[in-house]
Amino acid sequence: AQTVTQSQPEMSVQEAETVTLSCTYDTSESDYYLFWYKQPPSRQMILVIRQEAYKQQNATENRFSVNFQKAAKSFSLKISDSQLGDAAMYFCAYRTELGAGSYQLTFGKGTKLSVIP
Amino acid sequence: NAGVTQTPKFQVLKTGQSMTLQCAQDMNHEYMSWYRQDPGMGLRLIHYSVGAGITDQGEVPNGYNVSRSTTEDFPLRLLSAAPSQTSVYFCASSPSTASYGYTFGSGTRLTVV
Repeated sequence: AQTVTQSQPEMSVQEAETVTLSCTYDTSESDYYLFWYKQPPSRQMILVIRQEAYKQQNATENRFSVNFQKAAKSFSLKISDSQLGDAAMYFCAYRTELGAGSYQLTFGKGTKLSVIP
Repeated sequence: NAGVTQTPKFQVLKTGQSMTLQCAQDMNHEYMSWYRQDPGMGLRLIHYSVGAGITDQGEVPNGYNVSRSTTEDFPLRLLSAAPSQTSVYFCASSPSTASYGYTFGSGTRLTVV
């Protein structure tokens, strides 16, 4: 079974600085999808960024980008110019095949990011 | 607005009571699932469904029951509430490919006293 590991339970960053959240996963598949979700104090789960494994180019969404290292099975999230609104729990997720054309996401345990003014 | 609607947002139950958490989506998604979120434990899958009439257990199914009679609805039943079921519950849905991730409901904070 695929597993997703986020090795940093908590992290902090100074406002306007850059922070990188780590995620590693275990898989034998060659084509798959990876995701980062943000959960602010409001509790809502928000999709931040998505990466297709067969694409070599790292995904970016404004201040959020990923460093996707397929051979190392690593999928880290970089947040540039951190803002107070970036303070949240961040979850890494991997798309797992259930069979018969159905898939589900496997989540890491999350990293709580604090932003220091 | 299209999305996943979860009700209620908050609930307090007494030990032994039963209740149903409602989840409805209007995006014609085949896949629906229920998670519970506890501090330090991440999101743990309770039950899921790949289509109407089809359900299966996830990682932590004990004490919960589900059914999927329509594509839109996927209720979660707590049969006899226990303090260990105090948690935040999320419903999520996606097309069967899940290639764009899940759409989540806003969550239900359940406290069992």
